[in-house]
Amino acid sequence: GENVEQHPSTLSVQEGDSAVIKCTYSDSASNYFPWYKQELGKGPQLIIDIRSNVGEKKDQRIAVTLNKTAKHFSLHITETQPEDSAVYFCAASHSNTGKLIFGQGTTLQVKP
Amino acid sequence: SQTIHQWPATLVQPVGSPLSLECTVEGTSNPNLYWYRQAAGRGLQLLFYSVGIGQISSEVPQNLSASRPQDRQFILSSKKLLLSDSGFYLCAWSGSRFNEQFFGPGTRLTVL
Repeated sequence: GENVEQHPSTLSVQEGDSAVIKCTYSDSASNYFPWYKQELGKGPQLIIDIRSNVGEKKDQRIAVTLNKTAKHFSLHITETQPEDSAVYFCAASHSNTGKLIFGQGTTLQVKP
Repeated sequence: SQTIHQWPATLVQPVGSPLSLECTVEGTSNPNLYWYRQAAGRGLQLLFYSVGIGQISSEVPQNLSASRPQDRQFILSSKKLLLSDSGFYLCAWSGSRFNEQFFGPGTRLTVL
C-alpha cells in the first residue's frame, strides 16, 4: 500500500523567511497530493493541492512542486508570518480509491 | 456552500462504556464520508470510509464500528471503549468525483 514520509517533523523560521516541507510517497499510481494546515484543536484545512499532470502550483505565498519521477512533492511558504504557525500535513491518494494517506506532520513555528 | 458538523466537540468516557460520535454534512448530496483518528502529536489514520448509504469499508481492525444510516450522516460507535481509543476523531467528506477532502472540527475523546 501507499506510504508517505514527511520531513522535517519540526521547523522554526524567522518571520519573513521561507519554509519548505518535503514529502515522499511510495505508490507510483498516486495522482493527487493535497496539503493541509491544522491549528491547535481544530480540524485540518486544505490549503493547496496538486495533481500528477502538473509540476507546480502556486497560490499567493504558498506553492507546491511535484516530481513524479522521484516520487516526492514539497510545500513552499514564502514571506512567512506568525499566523502561518501550525502543523502541516501532506497526503497522497489515487483517484480510483479516493483514500488519502497522510504524512506524520510538520510543526512550523514562525518567530516574530 | 457545504458545511460539515461533528458532535460532541469533547467527550470524557470511562473504560468499558459505549460510544457514539456523529457527523453530518450539509449542502451536498451523495458525498464520500471518512472517519479518521489522530493520536496526540501524530498523523491522521483512516478508520472507515463510505461511498453510500449502508456501505462501510474498514481500514484497520479495531474496537470501533461505523454506520451510515442516511446520505449525509456518518456515525462512529463502540460497544466498549478501551484506553487506547482516546484521541481526536475527525470526519471528512469529498465529492463523488474528486479527491479533495474537507474536514470537520473534530471530537476530542478521552477514555479514563
